[in-house]
Amino acid sequence: DVQMTQSPSTLSASVGDSVSITCRASQYISNWLAWYQQKPGKAPKLLIYRASTLESGVPSRFSGSESGTKFTLTISGLQPDDFATYYCQQYKNYSPYTFGQGTKLEIK
Amino acid sequence: AQLVESGGGLVQPGRSLRLSCAASGFIFDDYAIHWVRQAPGKGLEWVSGIDWNGDGSGYADSVKGRFTISRDNARHLLFLQMDSLTTEDTALYYCVKGNSNYYESSAYFRDWGRGTLVTVSS
Repeated sequence: DVQMTQSPSTLSASVGDSVSITCRASQYISNWLAWYQQKPGKAPKLLIYRASTLESGVPSRFSGSESGTKFTLTISGLQPDDFATYYCQQYKNYSPYTFGQGTKLEIK
Repeated sequence: AQLVESGGGLVQPGRSLRLSCAASGFIFDDYAIHWVRQAPGKGLEWVSGIDWNGDGSGYADSVKGRFTISRDNARHLLFLQMDSLTTEDTALYYCVKGNSNYYESSAYFRDWGRGTLVTVSS
């Protein structure tokens, strides 16, 4: 199975800051990586797929990048609505699908 | 796409429970469907997926041999039969639409239900 190591587990930031969240895959997964945002009591929301493709309707302050087995979600100019928990997910052809442990983005 | 789960509840360890998911707003038998769960205060775990026609299915190691996924395309329903439940199965179970016909085909998850809570406790 592909293991996803996500960091940090908690991140404190202020409105207007830019932040990055990282996921490392235990093996090569090409760009088969998605990012989700989850707010308390809600289902996860797809933000990015194919490592860097922005889902329709997601603000452009969200971006994704990849370098080998390292994937990064960047939020440029945090808005109050962005404080949530973020998960990465690898979807290399059925490995099975695995998620990172999550990053809770808190208001500083 | 709309996905509405039901069937959760409180169950004793060792007992069984059957979850259902009613789908609408898309061509149900064009897509693989999955179950993803989230234990209280924890992260996301893919549980199981099933092909568009029900012929193929897969499971996480943690539930293999105890859970069975199935679907009824005529009624646009997905099921998860959960046997030999343990406290480790306590979680919110989400029904999730895949993005292709086959559960093995590179699935990321755009459409989620609101989940149904399963609590395994004596």
